[in-house]
Amino acid sequence: DTGVSQNPRHKITKRGQNVTFRCDPISEHNRLYWYRQTLGQGPEFLTYFQNEAQLEKSRLLSDRFSAERPKGSFSTLEIQRTEQGDSAMYLCASSLALAGAHNEQFFGPGTRLTVL
Amino acid sequence: TQLLEQSPQFLSIQEGENLTVYCNSSSVFSSLQWYRQEPGEGPVLLVTVVTGGEVKKLKRLTFQFGDARKDSSLHITAAQPGDTGLYLCAGGPGGYQKVTFGTGTKLQVIP
Repeated sequence: DTGVSQNPRHKITKRGQNVTFRCDPISEHNRLYWYRQTLGQGPEFLTYFQNEAQLEKSRLLSDRFSAERPKGSFSTLEIQRTEQGDSAMYLCASSLALAGAHNEQFFGPGTRLTVL
Repeated sequence: TQLLEQSPQFLSIQEGENLTVYCNSSSVFSSLQWYRQEPGEGPVLLVTVVTGGEVKKLKRLTFQFGDARKDSSLHITAAQPGDTGLYLCAGGPGGYQKVTFGTGTKLQVIP
């Protein structure tokens, strides 16, 4: 199976600690997205990459959040000095963005973060 | 920013009933996707609609794209407990532009 993978699936941390999540997209996809989702709500956009370039970052994202995609393949999302309000599911998706394409996104299983 | 509103937000029905979920926007989309998400998992792509007025069927699920490509509907016939989940629509202007997700409809089908 060459779908989107995310690690870890679950992370429990104490308030104030830093956490890092990894996403491995579908190999031929050039675009990678990070979303945050709370229970019963739709995914909330955080940021996205076209290859290694970070094209957009949500204004809702504080400076404690940073994402990288150094070689245009896997990506990491780091949250520094976690707060209880950061508890959520963090979803990664990838797509093949081409002119005229429909930009269908394929999601990973998510990383569930719990901040105590 | 393109916004997508879904209705209803919550739906609890008995097995065998029919239902329709709506996805509406004031913006025109080049395409619109529907996803289903089960608890603890990522959304799974069900279908993409592209042409205004297009209808696509996936077993008991029927998807329609509005003529003006501003709205879409998902109709489920004879709902089954396995249909339970969060249904999300997502649309974008196409090409290199990112998509926007709807607010979601949480469906519960009671056996």
